[in-house]
Parts: sequence; structure tokens; C-alpha cells
Amino acid sequence: EADIYQTPRYLVIGTGKKITLECSQTMGHDKMYWYQQDPGMELHLIHYSYGVNSTEKGDLSSESTVSRIRTEHFPLTLESARPSHTSQYLCASMRQNYGYTFGSGTRLTVV
Amino acid sequence: GDSVTQMEGPVTLSEEAFLTINCTYTATGYPSLFWYVQYPGEGLQLLLKATKADDKGSNKGFEATYRKETTSFHLEKGSVQVSDSAVYFCALSWGGATNKLIFGTGTLLAVQP
Repeated sequence: EADIYQTPRYLVIGTGKKITLECSQTMGHDKMYWYQQDPGMELHLIHYSYGVNSTEKGDLSSESTVSRIRTEHFPLTLESARPSHTSQYLCASMRQNYGYTFGSGTRLTVV
Repeated sequence: GDSVTQMEGPVTLSEEAFLTINCTYTATGYPSLFWYVQYPGEGLQLLLKATKADDKGSNKGFEATYRKETTSFHLEKGSVQVSDSAVYFCALSWGGATNKLIFGTGTLLAVQP
């Protein structure tokens, strides 16, 4: 059973729209991450969080923003979607010595 | 910087064939090493891991041994099944505050009946 949930699974949206990708976990993990997966399968870290009120940019520059107001919730927002944002977005949480748990992903298409 | 290099795919095998997917890493020191699997339309699942040199991770018939002398963590399975068709990612991570995972580019495995 998944302990980390991403919604929506699939999203097709027009250019210029604001969108929020949801990620929630029920495991009480402090550390959470957003990865962007391009069509060539490569995974790039775009945001991470150590805990409530902590957010950091990842290794790949992204126009998205994140927030961490509650431990279990780590949403990602795009203020103005563009076709270049078309990708799969994977959320993960991590507990020390237990490793990562990934969500099923949101496949975003911007038309 | 740290990096992970995987063999390019796709790898196409017949059922019951032997599988090897090569993975090498570049890092200063000894990170933890992982193999993740991604089935079509799904997120990533941890397949196995090794946290120190000479450790062998194993799960579901897959194995990988942490070789510090060759900086490698090759994935092997003696007899693949159609249900093993997926994308396999090798990754490394350090302990400490960030615990970021650094992924290889992924290798697509297609097993034919």
C-alpha cells in the first residue's frame, strides 16, 4: 500500500495556467523531495525539504516553488505553466536508515 | 561532483535469460548505493541497497555487490521473467542532512516470452 500520495496522476493544462501538484505522506518523515523525470527517463532533483518551514532548491533549476507548512504535505506550484514544463514529477519522502519512498508521480502535459 | 553511470538500454532478453545491468559511480568516499525499479506508469520502488563496501544487496532474485575497488554496483538476476520488464535506476546517496539521491540515467529492460 502506498504511504505517499500524489495527485493528480495525469494533468493536461493550457499555457499560462497556475497549477499545484499535491504530495502527502502518512509516515511522519521529515525529509521530502521533488524529482522531475524527463522523457528520456533521467531524474533530476528540483526541490527538497528537511522539515516544516524548510525548503531548498535542488540540483536542476526549476521555475516551480514548494512549501512545507505541515510535515505530511509538500505541494509543488507552477505559477504560469509552459510547454517546457511538460514532464513527470515524482515526490518522495525519506526516513534515515530506511531509505526513500516514492509516490506514483504526476504526469503533466502543458499544451 | 558525484555521479552514477549506467549501461544504456534498452536491454532485451528472453525469459529465463541471465541479466546484468552495469553501474559505476564516481564519488569521494563510500556512499550508500541503491537500485530502484520503475514499472510502467508508476513511481520508483527500492529494489535493493548496500551501505558499505563488499555488502551484497538482494531482493526478488536480484543481487548487487558493492565493489569499492572498481567503484561498481552491477545488478544481476539469474533468470528473468516477463514481469521484470521495467526501468532500472542505479543511485547513490550520502548520509547527513540532505540524503539526496543521485541517479543514473536508467536502463530499460524488456523481457520477451
